[in-house]
Amino acid sequence: DTEVTQTPKHLVMGMTNKKSLKCEQHMGHRAMYWYKQKAKKPPELMFVYSYEKLSINESVPSRFSPECPNSSLLNLHLHALQPEDSALYLCASSQARGYGYTFGSGTRLTVV
Amino acid sequence: AQSVTQPDIHITVSEGASLELRCNYSYGATPYLFWYVQSPGQGLQLLLKYFSGDTLVQGIKGFEAEFKRSQSSFNLRKPSVHWSDAAEYFCAVGTYNTDKLIFGTGTRLQVFP
Repeated sequence: DTEVTQTPKHLVMGMTNKKSLKCEQHMGHRAMYWYKQKAKKPPELMFVYSYEKLSINESVPSRFSPECPNSSLLNLHLHALQPEDSALYLCASSQARGYGYTFGSGTRLTVV
Repeated sequence: AQSVTQPDIHITVSEGASLELRCNYSYGATPYLFWYVQSPGQGLQLLLKYFSGDTLVQGIKGFEAEFKRSQSSFNLRKPSVHWSDAAEYFCAVGTYNTDKLIFGTGTRLQVFP
């Protein structure tokens, strides 16, 4: 299995809702990432988990809360989001530095 | 600090023509270098990577890239472009001491028949 699977593919949520994005990989990769991508922009790093521990948090607002239940799963919990948080949220994993990331196909999030 | 520059925001080529996408990086040591491709609404796919050894690297879909230390460049090339190559291309740089990749701003490739 050489894929990163993200669910759901599309999500529409209100500003008072709580939702979660899920990401799964079975490649034995040690690091997992959340990126946010706005239209016509490069991906922006949000969080990095290395060996299931949060290693990088790019000063992301607390309305985004990551969770890594085990080495194969990564969640992003969303609460009280703003319309400007609408974007494509990408999950990625990597075997080691220098090997590059494997990206999922993303979750298209719309906040209304 | 590391940085990546992709000078061309948008490139248009005819199908069958050759292609070169430019990427320049700023970093004190030898970086890890990557090219990714993204189709609309999709995730990013790794085309090729360089972190040591032969400076000319071959990737998927007929792409290649050459690392030139003297020019701090890692340009992506393809001898003959296909209509399916139309997409956004991102150059990225990483280092040995961080998990973080820095992405360039991207180059949008349009292919005319």
